Amino acid sequence: KQEVTQIPAALSVPEGENLVLNCSFTDSAIYNLQWFRQDPGKGLTSLLLIQSSQREQTSGRLNASLDKSSGRSTLYIAASQPGDSATYLCAVRLNDYKLSFGAGTTVTVRA
Amino acid sequence: GAVVSQHPSWVICKSGTSVKIECRSLDFQATTMFWYRQFPKQSLMLMATSNEGSKATYEQGVEKDKFLINHASLTLSTLTVTSAHPEDSSFYICSAGRGVSYGYTFGSGTRLTVV
Repeated sequence: KQEVTQIPAALSVPEGENLVLNCSFTDSAIYNLQWFRQDPGKGLTSLLLIQSSQREQTSGRLNASLDKSSGRSTLYIAASQPGDSATYLCAVRLNDYKLSFGAGTTVTVRA
Repeated sequence: GAVVSQHPSWVICKSGTSVKIECRSLDFQATTMFWYRQFPKQSLMLMATSNEGSKATYEQGVEKDKFLINHASLTLSTLTVTSAHPEDSSFYICSAGRGVSYGYTFGSGTRLTVV
């Protein structure tokens, strides 16, 4: 069974600091990995999708890396802003098209 | 593109009644949709996989008769919580995918409160 772990569970930083969020998974036979953002009481917004053959993906201030062999992905958010405050979830997809989610990292960016 | 609409956003119902939640893919067709449940400060738990034109596949421990899923068209899946009880109060979210290259898109979620 695929286990997905996200560390840390919570993170508080001052505005402008870079954020580093970690995700690890136990089964390296993944199809892809997706990072999501969830605001309180809301659904999930997809941030980045990394296919198993890729090493990283970038979108604006966001960059996600994937090391499939070691079962790790890292989400970097540059120059954090208060609007980045949310819970960030990583999810891995195995070949059976189901997603396995981590518990999330709750980020607070202080103005 | 890839918008998934979920309604209602929130619903309050009396214990013993049934509630239907709709999930629509607005700009793409989805042969498969997924229903998740999320408890406060916890991650998403997959409840079932909804397959267009066939029966849903439920995860272990999810009661099929309580959580009825219908996927009657390529753009609509519904989740009906039957004979709801307070312990069914939760946040329900659906998702769908356009294809393996695009990942999954999620609805905005439905907050169900059973009183």
